[in-house]
Amino acid sequence: EVQLVESGGGLVQPGGSLRLSCAASGSTFTDHYMDWVRQAPGKGLEWVGRSRNKANSYSTEFAASVKGRFTISRDDSKNSLYLQMNSLKTEDTAVYYCASTKTDFDFWDYWGQGTLVTVSS
Amino acid sequence: SYELTQPLSVSVALGQTAKITCGGKNIGSKNVHWYQQKPGQAPVLAIYRDSNRPSGIPERFSGSNSGNTATLTISRAQGGDEADYYCQVWDSSTAGVAFGGGTKLTVL
Repeated sequence: EVQLVESGGGLVQPGGSLRLSCAASGSTFTDHYMDWVRQAPGKGLEWVGRSRNKANSYSTEFAASVKGRFTISRDDSKNSLYLQMNSLKTEDTAVYYCASTKTDFDFWDYWGQGTLVTVSS
Repeated sequence: SYELTQPLSVSVALGQTAKITCGGKNIGSKNVHWYQQKPGQAPVLAIYRDSNRPSGIPERFSGSNSGNTATLTISRAQGGDEADYYCQVWDSSTAGVAFGGGTKLTVL
């Protein structure tokens, strides 16, 4: 079983930057694909992006809404995933979850509890 | 981008069967996963790869997928089943994940 814990959320002004972290424990982090999924207040789930595993060259994919502004990285030696968010907009306000999966076509079997990012002046 | 369409809300009488649909072009050719989310909580996997139940999910939950519609069926609905339900697929054409807009299930 995998436990995921997000951190780094907070209040940031429009145009600012923030880095979220996701700490994983309990299983082989290196084998997993890791995703960020967000949920704006009162809204549905929105996929943000993915980091594939080492076997797939840590390649990344992003939703069109964040492409060019957000980057995903991971440090397998620390069992950690990161989301660097730049040029933040008010519409990026959301709870950000990290979640793990095994392939592109598969499901997220483990989720963190989420961290709230508020973009406001 | 690949669009998934869910009804905004579904109501079911206590003990009856609820069906939540997820429409998408040729969705029957994709693996569909369903998540249950209760207020203030992270989503929980309810059904994976169209019709498989994770451990801990009651047998009352089942899924199907064919043609342009995937369906989550909840038999003998209970108050504890009240939640938002989301369908999800991987869209190979855009190399991204697509979510349905979510369905709020109310048990009357």
